[in-house]
Amino acid sequence: AAGVIQSPRHLIKEKRETATLKCYPIPRHDTVYWYQQGPGQDPQFLISFYEKMQSDKGSIPDRFSAQQFSDYHSELNMSSLELGDSALYFCASSSYGKGVSEPYEQYFGPGTRLTVT
Amino acid sequence: GESVGLHLPTLSVQEGDNSIINCAYSNSASDYFIWYKQESGKGPQFIIDIRSNMDKRQGQRVTVLLNKTVKHLSLQIAATQPGDSAVYFCAENIDGYNKLIFGAGTRLAVHP
Repeated sequence: AAGVIQSPRHLIKEKRETATLKCYPIPRHDTVYWYQQGPGQDPQFLISFYEKMQSDKGSIPDRFSAQQFSDYHSELNMSSLELGDSALYFCASSSYGKGVSEPYEQYFGPGTRLTVT
Repeated sequence: GESVGLHLPTLSVQEGDNSIINCAYSNSASDYFIWYKQESGKGPQFIIDIRSNMDKRQGQRVTVLLNKTVKHLSLQIAATQPGDSAVYFCAENIDGYNKLIFGAGTRLAVHP
């Protein structure tokens, strides 16, 4: 079965650089979520999109922005990177509006490991 | 803010034994709960979910119990196998909000 695809899988950036993470949801899923997971920590919700509109917002820094495109893929843009941004970034998807499955049943991608040096 | 927490950070069991992972949640408005399994370097993997109008749900070798009175959630794994070794997170969702609130995670170590 198709899963959530994230790219790149690994990314190394220097402080003050920018990074763009991409997420391709499961086919027929209309909602994407972004989470940040620091070492040894639980995933923290950043932001979500439903039908290309921001649907919920969590602890996302102002230096970060995200959007969902017409094909439902999403990109997380991170600017002025700081050492503390080093983490695993997960994208998850669900079929909130299409009744394919439980609306809040989120399926996670493999993550992008961002290292800021 | 309110969050989901776990009683035990690490649980060690013998292969073949049953495992019970516990979780306490504090938000009485939460109405949907999920257990995820996360192996090292991988994304959380959906295991089983339960809605607040249920108190028990069974899957393949797994059972989730929900006690709304004391705001407690548990995951039972029958005949634990080495492949079950991972970190387990419970997560809660409040109806009307997209986000999942994760607990701190419990590491399950299965010994032969």
